[in-house]
Amino acid sequence: AQSVAQPEDQVNVAEGNPLTVKCTYSVSGNPYLFWYVQYPNRGLQFLLKYITGDNLVKGSYGFEAEFNKSQTSFHLKKPSALVSDSALYFCAVRDINQAGTALIFGKGTTLSVSS
Amino acid sequence: DGGITQSPKYLFRKEGQNVTLSCEQNLNHDAMYWYRQDPGQGLRLIYYSQIVNDFQKGDIAEGYSVSREKKESFPLTVTSAQKNPTAFYLCASSMREGASGEQYFGPGTRLTVT
Repeated sequence: AQSVAQPEDQVNVAEGNPLTVKCTYSVSGNPYLFWYVQYPNRGLQFLLKYITGDNLVKGSYGFEAEFNKSQTSFHLKKPSALVSDSALYFCAVRDINQAGTALIFGKGTTLSVSS
Repeated sequence: DGGITQSPKYLFRKEGQNVTLSCEQNLNHDAMYWYRQDPGQGLRLIYYSQIVNDFQKGDIAEGYSVSREKKESFPLTVTSAQKNPTAFYLCASSMREGASGEQYFGPGTRLTVT
C-alpha cells in the first residue's frame, strides 16, 4: 500500500533562515512525488514534482526538494524563508504504475515563518 | 485554482438533508477526484473517476455519492447517511494517461451541517 508521512505537524523558522519540511514515502514500485501548498480556506497549489532524473527538483516561489531513494524521502527546502511562505504544506505520492489514480497525501505540515 | 470551479464556497445545511457540491473543470482532464479535509487529518479520498460514466470509491465513500455524466463535471452528494459531514471538500482533476501528472485543485467548498 502507498503511504506518505510528514513527521512534523508544525515547523517554525525565522525569516531569512533556511527551511526544511520533511516527507517520507512508501510505494511498492517507483514513486512520483509532489509538493503542494495550501493557504487558509483555499485549494491546494502545486509547487513541484519529482518524476525522474536529477534528484534535486526546483519549483515555484524558490522552493526545491531533494529525492533520496535510499531513505525514501522527499524533503522540501528553501534557502531563505519569507513570512509569506507561512502556510500548510502537503507531500503526495503516486506509484508510477498507477496512472489516473488519486495522489496519496500526507497529513500536512504547518510552516510558520516569523519576522 | 485555475481551470476548476467549485460552488458554492460556503454551504449550510440542516441535519438530515442531502446536499450536492458542484465541481466543473475546463482543463480537458479525464480524471477527477473528491477529497475531504479535516484539521490534522490531511486529505482523504472520497471518490474518483477516470472516465465518463465510471467512478470508484475512495477510502471514505460511505455516506457520499457521485455521478460523471459529462467529462467536465463531477458533482458530489453528501447524503443524510454521512455521520459527520461538516468539513472542507476539495475537487481535483488530472490527466489520466501516465502517472506523472499533478492534480489541479479547485478552491474548495466548506460545508457546515447543524
